[in-house]
Amino acid sequence: KAGVTQTPRYLIKTRGQQVTLSCSPISGHRSVSWYQQTPGQGLQFLFEYFSETQRNKGNFPGRFSGRQFSNSRSEMNVSTLELGDSALYLCASSHRGASSGANVLTFGAGSRLTVL
Amino acid sequence: AQSVTQLDSQVPVFEEAPVELRCNYSSSVSVYLFWYVQYPNQGLQLLLKYLSGSTLVKGINGFEAEFNKSQTSFHLRKPSVHISDTAEYFCAGDNTDKLIFGTGTRLQVFP
Repeated sequence: KAGVTQTPRYLIKTRGQQVTLSCSPISGHRSVSWYQQTPGQGLQFLFEYFSETQRNKGNFPGRFSGRQFSNSRSEMNVSTLELGDSALYLCASSHRGASSGANVLTFGAGSRLTVL
Repeated sequence: AQSVTQLDSQVPVFEEAPVELRCNYSSSVSVYLFWYVQYPNQGLQLLLKYLSGSTLVKGINGFEAEFNKSQTSFHLRKPSVHISDTAEYFCAGDNTDKLIFGTGTRLQVFP
């Protein structure tokens, strides 16, 4: 069973540009979550998508957005990049359905974004 | 505040020695608790989880953790560590709509 796949693994952008990161969840997982990991702030929740709808959102500015497709693949976009957006962006998928229950996340290897 | 606290940022230990990585959670966090491990340049890998039932949870790579409701703790233990256990370890609690992570503990195993 293939794991969570994130592309690209590494990328370098300059301030003001935008970036799109992609995530393919484990087959059968319909929930996809995104986290930002930085040395200073640790792991912070960005958003969660389920059945093409954003179900939960963290405390990030509107420059951070995402979407989910009908095959559960997800993308996140960051517009007008700032130096502080340099981070490891982690995607995770889970079995969690529409009802509440434990959110057991399986993570991808991450996309490391460097903003110059 | 809903939070997960990892009390030690770094834990140095010699190979084959026992280790305990400490984690406390706030009472407002759901009692679904997790430990993840992160190796350099990789994502997070689930070590073990507590969802319900027995308070002693066994995970992969010989790790185990004990859920203690009265002390709101979920400490991770291994009786004998290997060099390959050198990594960052994260404790997390389920806050219904997202996982909240602790700040991580860097386990450094020396030969």
